[in-house]
Amino acid sequence: GENVEQHPSTLSVQEGDSAVIKCTYSDSASNYFPWYKQELGKRPQLIIDIRSNVGEKKDQRIAVTLNKTAKHFSLHITETQPEDSAVYFCAASLGGAQKLVFGQGTRLTINP
Amino acid sequence: DTGVSQDPRHKITKRGQNVTFRCDPISEHNRLYWYRQTLGQGPEFLTYFQNEAQLEKSRLLSDRFSAERPKGSFSTLEIQRTEQGDSAMYLCASSRTGSDTEAFFGQGTRLTVV
Repeated sequence: GENVEQHPSTLSVQEGDSAVIKCTYSDSASNYFPWYKQELGKRPQLIIDIRSNVGEKKDQRIAVTLNKTAKHFSLHITETQPEDSAVYFCAASLGGAQKLVFGQGTRLTINP
Repeated sequence: DTGVSQDPRHKITKRGQNVTFRCDPISEHNRLYWYRQTLGQGPEFLTYFQNEAQLEKSRLLSDRFSAERPKGSFSTLEIQRTEQGDSAMYLCASSRTGSDTEAFFGQGTRLTVV
């Protein structure tokens, strides 16, 4: 089955700097890769997703890149703000939201 | 709030007791998923429904776990003879059918088995 590895497990950056979180997946058939943000005690919330027919997607300060050959995808957050502090999870699946396999999470801390 | 809702938000139970959780998905979503999340880990898939049909179950879902979605709307997850290892956050999510879909999560039910 699918396996998703996520790195780093913790990341601390200065406010205004960029943050990058990386994930690798094992099943080459996976074609949907969402990123979720989870604040303490709250539900995971989708912040951006990418499908295997594109290599990059951007939404304001957030971007995701996908390398299908290498089977890895990354989340890029630019101009980080204190409210970006949270745990971020990557996931992979075959066929949209169906049966997401999540990474272990990255605790991102933005230092003022 | 028209998102996914779960009840209860918190449940403390004694080992060996049965518990049942409820999930109400977004109304137009015909897919419903259950995940389990332990502290410091990502959510783990348990099972999912398309309408009332349970299409897949993870091997994580032991015989003590059962999920239903009798009318294709809300779903229940029951854990029988709870064990301390069952302590976790149980998350429900829903989505439309299709490959171009995204899953929306509920707030979760935090289960503590003492």
